Amino acid sequence: NAGVTQTPKFQVLKTGQSMTLQCAQDMNHNSMYWYRQDPGMGLRLIYYSASEGTTDKGEVPNGYNVSRLNKREFSLRLESAAPSQTSVYFCASSDTVNNQPQHFGDGTRLSIL
Amino acid sequence: GESVGLHLPTLSVQEGDNSIINCAYSNSASDYFIWYKQESGKGPQFIIDIRSNMDKRQGQRVTVLLNKTVKHLSLQIAATQPGDSAVYFCAENRGGDSSYKLIFGSGTRLLVRP
Repeated sequence: NAGVTQTPKFQVLKTGQSMTLQCAQDMNHNSMYWYRQDPGMGLRLIYYSASEGTTDKGEVPNGYNVSRLNKREFSLRLESAAPSQTSVYFCASSDTVNNQPQHFGDGTRLSIL
Repeated sequence: GESVGLHLPTLSVQEGDNSIINCAYSNSASDYFIWYKQESGKGPQFIIDIRSNMDKRQGQRVTVLLNKTVKHLSLQIAATQPGDSAVYFCAENRGGDSSYKLIFGSGTRLLVRP
């Protein structure tokens, strides 16, 4: 039972490069989320997708774009990476129809030089 | 501003003792609260949740207490084990939906002494 799978697990970019982080869930959840976690802090919501075909901004959306490719997949794109975007990125999914909690992947550790 | 916060950034307990991790929230409209455990190099793992129409909920070795009067949430871990060492986050939902837009606290690190 894979749950939420994120790729890649690690990535180093140079300032200005672009990058797409991939996320897939196999739990048939309707909602998906992208968070970032900085050292010593909790998670902050970047974007979320309440259902297939919809996306909405979270707390810290600037510098990011997302695509809900289908029910299973939700990608996060950095068009022009900046050092301030160095972070650990977590994808999550949930079944909000049945009021279930969010389940997380193991993260992508992204460093921007 | 409104926030979800924790009273203690680090909690050290003896193996076998009970642990209590506290969390304060400021939005009285929040109606859903979750505790997550995060081990090093892993994503947050769901532990237990509680809705605002309840004061207490129990799981396996864990209990969550909700005091809406003082906007306080706690996680109690019975007979703490070395495997419980991790960072624990509380999260609240303010949007009225079941789990959109969770707001996370900054976390408490639990260290279990052998």
